[in-house]
Amino acid sequence: AQSVTQLGSHVSVSEGALVLLRCNYSSSVPPYLFWYVQYPNQGLQLLLKYTTGATLVKGINGFEAEFKKSETSFHLTKPSAHMSDAAEYFCAVSEHQAGTALIFGKGTTLSVSS
Amino acid sequence: DAGITQSPRHKVTETGTPVTLRCHQTENHRYMYWYRQDPGHGLRLIHYSYGVKDTDKGEVSDGYSVSRSKTEDFLLTLESATSSQTSVYFCAISLGQGNTGELFFGEGSRLTVL
Repeated sequence: AQSVTQLGSHVSVSEGALVLLRCNYSSSVPPYLFWYVQYPNQGLQLLLKYTTGATLVKGINGFEAEFKKSETSFHLTKPSAHMSDAAEYFCAVSEHQAGTALIFGKGTTLSVSS
Repeated sequence: DAGITQSPRHKVTETGTPVTLRCHQTENHRYMYWYRQDPGHGLRLIHYSYGVKDTDKGEVSDGYSVSRSKTEDFLLTLESATSSQTSVYFCAISLGQGNTGELFFGEGSRLTVL
């Protein structure tokens, strides 16, 4: 069975600092991996995804993530945090099979201070 | 943009009453999902559908039923609501006709069971 573990339910950074949100997954088959962001009182928006090919994927708003199969990780980074990045971030995994749904991690709340 | 409308957006009900949440999509997407979001648990899959009258259970399906009589509508029913079902419910669709894992979410329905 698939699972996702997000390390740290809350991460705080200063504006301009590096953002690093950690995600480890478990899957018995090659995974699709995703990061979603949720702003207060809104639904989730896709930040980026990995399916196949290049292991470093770039998303919206300057975020990127690297798929490391040997470490079963898909950590999300951004070189310089902005106040508008404050939100909840979810890592998710699904299998390369039709009909399987996304399994989400428990989320990491990112706070950005000035 | 894929259009998803969830209704009602907010509902307060009493324990033991039936509740139906509706998800309506404006495009012809095959896969539709119901998730619930709770603090500390992230998003958990309740049920999903892969076509008209084709549905399957997710990890937290107990106490919930679904129906999909038309491509555009996916209904979630709580036959007898309990306080543990107080949550925010999100509908999502898989973009395109296949299950790509890339989901587009509705705005959410906040349900309070007293």
